[in-house]
Amino acid sequence: AQTVTQSQPEMSVQEAETVTLSCTYDTSENNYYLFWYKQPPSRQMILVIRQEAYKQQNATENRFSVNFQKAAKSFSLKISDSQLGDTAMYFCAFMKPFGGANNLFFGTGTRLTVIP
Amino acid sequence: KAGVTQTPRYLIKTRGQQVTLSCSPISGHRSVSWYQQTPGQGLQFLFEYFSETQRNKGNFPGRFSGRQFSNSRSEMNVSTLELGDSALYLCASSGGVRNTEAFFGQGTRLTVV
Repeated sequence: AQTVTQSQPEMSVQEAETVTLSCTYDTSENNYYLFWYKQPPSRQMILVIRQEAYKQQNATENRFSVNFQKAAKSFSLKISDSQLGDTAMYFCAFMKPFGGANNLFFGTGTRLTVIP
Repeated sequence: KAGVTQTPRYLIKTRGQQVTLSCSPISGHRSVSWYQQTPGQGLQFLFEYFSETQRNKGNFPGRFSGRQFSNSRSEMNVSTLELGDSALYLCASSGGVRNTEAFFGQGTRLTVV
């Protein structure tokens, strides 16, 4: 069975600073996909970034980047130049190959607050 | 490309009633999955529909059911509502190359009183 662990229930960061959210997972699969989703107070789960396990290069999307360590089963999210709009719950998720949304395994989330 | 649309956004129901939630996936996506989100239990998978058939099911009682139409729109039904059914219900649309895209709607906030 797959498990996803987010050990930081809450974090805060000053506006314009950089913050890193941690995620570890456990799986016996060799190929899989990892995601970070953001859930602001509006409640919609927004896809922030996606990493394919067979790709060694870390994914980046503008101010968001990941540090994917496959051997360590670690998948952290770095947010650079934090903005007030980044305040949200962040969920790390694992998907099996060809899994689709029914095969998403979520962590418990990290509540990030950006302080002006 | 329109996103995933869930209606209604908010619902208040009384114990014992039933409720129907709707989800329209992203155009071209044939898989719709439903999740229940509560503060205590986090995100829990309810079921998945693909091409009008329930393909996967989570560990929820039979009061939770769903269906999918030929246009891929899906409905979720909860009968004999209980207070514990109060939650945010999220719908996710899947598709793309190797079925690795998963996009969520804004959710329906159900309150049972």
